[in-house]
Amino acid sequence: EPEVTQTPSHQVTQMGQEVILRCVPISNHLYFYWYRQILGQKVEFLVSFYNNEISEKSEIFDDQFSVERPDGSNFTLKIRSTKLEDSAMYFCASSVWTGELFFGEGSRLTVL
Amino acid sequence: GESVGLHLPTLSVQEGDNSIINCAYSNSASDYFIWYKQESGKGPQFIIDIRSNMDKRQGQRVTVLLNKTVKHLSLQIAATQPGDSAVYFCAENTEAAGNKLTFGGGTRVLVKP
Repeated sequence: EPEVTQTPSHQVTQMGQEVILRCVPISNHLYFYWYRQILGQKVEFLVSFYNNEISEKSEIFDDQFSVERPDGSNFTLKIRSTKLEDSAMYFCASSVWTGELFFGEGSRLTVL
Repeated sequence: GESVGLHLPTLSVQEGDNSIINCAYSNSASDYFIWYKQESGKGPQFIIDIRSNMDKRQGQRVTVLLNKTVKHLSLQIAATQPGDSAVYFCAENTEAAGNKLTFGGGTRVLVKP
């Protein structure tokens, strides 16, 4: 069964460092997303991406965040200068249309 | 503001019994609702969805009910099994919001053997 895959599963970084989280969406999907979940809290929308551009972003997704689809298979989330409060589980998701989202297993980011 | 919330943070249920998880939403413009299951250390897994032009939808052992009058959504799990132990989130979407899902706070379901 096709699935969204994410790497790394866990990354520990120092505050102020750049982090890149990688995702391989399901191959025939057209819409890509990043969500995050701070420990014990609800899942929060960060950004959606379609047709090689951001279609929507939340207020969390500030100038420190960026997304890219560098090739036909990868979708990345970059955090330029990490802060302590960026520590969370980051989920990539993809969908065929603006409906059912399929989530990856997540990348846990720990900022020290 | 817009919000999707859950009434019960934890639900303990005996194996074999039915489970009912509730969710309230405040955005009357919401037109698409989804239930996700999240097991420990994993990403949300799609269970079932329903559009606002329906009030009931059934899947395998699961039923989602939508009451637009009181803006209430529920997930019923029949014959709950140990593998159903997880956190369940409702999420809502509006066509105007693109695919920006708004998730509720989650309900933990614990299945007792």
